[in-house]
Formats: sequence, structure tokens, C-alpha cells
Amino acid sequence: NAGVTQTPKFQVLKTGQSMTLQCAQDMNHNSMYWYRQDPGMGLRLIYYSASEGTTDKGEVPNGYNVSRLNKREFSLRLESAAPSQTSVYFCASSNRGQGSPLHFGNGTRLTVT
Amino acid sequence: DQQVKQNSPSLSVQEGRISILNCDYTNSMFDYFLWYKKYPAEGPTFLISISSIKDKNEDGRFTVFLNKSAKHLSLHIVPSQPGDSAVYFCAAKGGSNYKLTFGKGTLLTVNP
Repeated sequence: NAGVTQTPKFQVLKTGQSMTLQCAQDMNHNSMYWYRQDPGMGLRLIYYSASEGTTDKGEVPNGYNVSRLNKREFSLRLESAAPSQTSVYFCASSNRGQGSPLHFGNGTRLTVT
Repeated sequence: DQQVKQNSPSLSVQEGRISILNCDYTNSMFDYFLWYKKYPAEGPTFLISISSIKDKNEDGRFTVFLNKSAKHLSLHIVPSQPGDSAVYFCAAKGGSNYKLTFGKGTLLTVNP
């Protein structure tokens, strides 16, 4: 039972480079999310997708774009990476409904030099 | 403006004793609260939750208490075990908004 799978696990980019973080879930969840975790900042929501075909900005969307490719997959793209985007990125998914917790992947550790 | 606050960055307790992790919130629209546990190099995992219509929820060694008037919740772990050593995040959501707002986390260390 894979749950939420993120690739890659680690990535080093130079400033200005672009990359896409991939996320897939096999739990048939409707909603998917991208969070970033920085030291002393907790988890902050970047973008989310309530259902297939919809995406919305979260708390810190600047510098990112997302694509909900289908129900299973939700990707996060950095068009021109900046050192401020050095972080650990977590993808999560959930069912609709108040009582549905988020299930997280194991994260992508990104360093931008 | 931080809507979910965990004011203790770290907590250290002895094995077998009680661990109490605290969380405060400011948004009156929050009506569902969750605790997540996170080990290094892993994603957060769901631990326990509570709806605003309750003031206590228990699951084995873990109990969450909610004081709505004080906008305060706490997670009690009894008895604490070394395997409980992790970062604990408090999170909240409200109404039809299913997005979670997280606190900054508390690092719990349980000493053998």
C-alpha cells in the first residue's frame, strides 16, 4: 500500500533553473495539497486541489505553479528557482469531509544554490 | 498572523511519565483539530483529532482535550515511550474549508 508517493526525494538546483516535483496517491482521494516545511515555520500550504480539474492558491503560492493531471497525480513546478525556495516539500491527499485527515508523502528535500 | 500557535518549541520528559503538548488558536471559525507526529526524513502522520462539539477524544495512550472558550487544545501522552520522540504538529480547519492550518511544531524527547 504505497499511499502518497513523491519524486524525487532529493534535488539540488542552481538559481534560475526549473523543475517539477511529482506526487501520486493511490487512495482514491479527491483532494491533494502541496506544503513546504522550513525550520521554525511549521508546514505552510502552497497550493491545493479540491478535486480533479480545480486548483487554488494557498498561503505561499508565489514562485510556484501546479497541475492536477488526473485524480491520482498533482505536480508542483518551480519555473525559476530561487534560494528562498530551499525547503522540504510535502504532498498530501485527503477525502472530502471534515473528519478526513491528510495523508502525507515522505517529502522532497530541495536545495537551491 | 499565526492562527495556530505552539508556543513550546521543545519538551523533554522521562519514559513512563505524562507528556503534555499545548496548542492555541485564534480563528473562531476553526471547528476541527488534528495532531500529527513527524519523524525525521518522513512525512507527518495523523495521530488523533477532535471536533469542536466534543471536549475530549481518546485513543489508547493519546488523549486530546479541547477548551473552546480558551481557544486551547492539548495532547496528553500517557505513559510516554522513547518511540514517541518526534515533532508534534497541531492543525486546525473550519467549516467547509478543508485546508489545514498548522502550528510550528513541538519537538518531544522521551528519555529512557
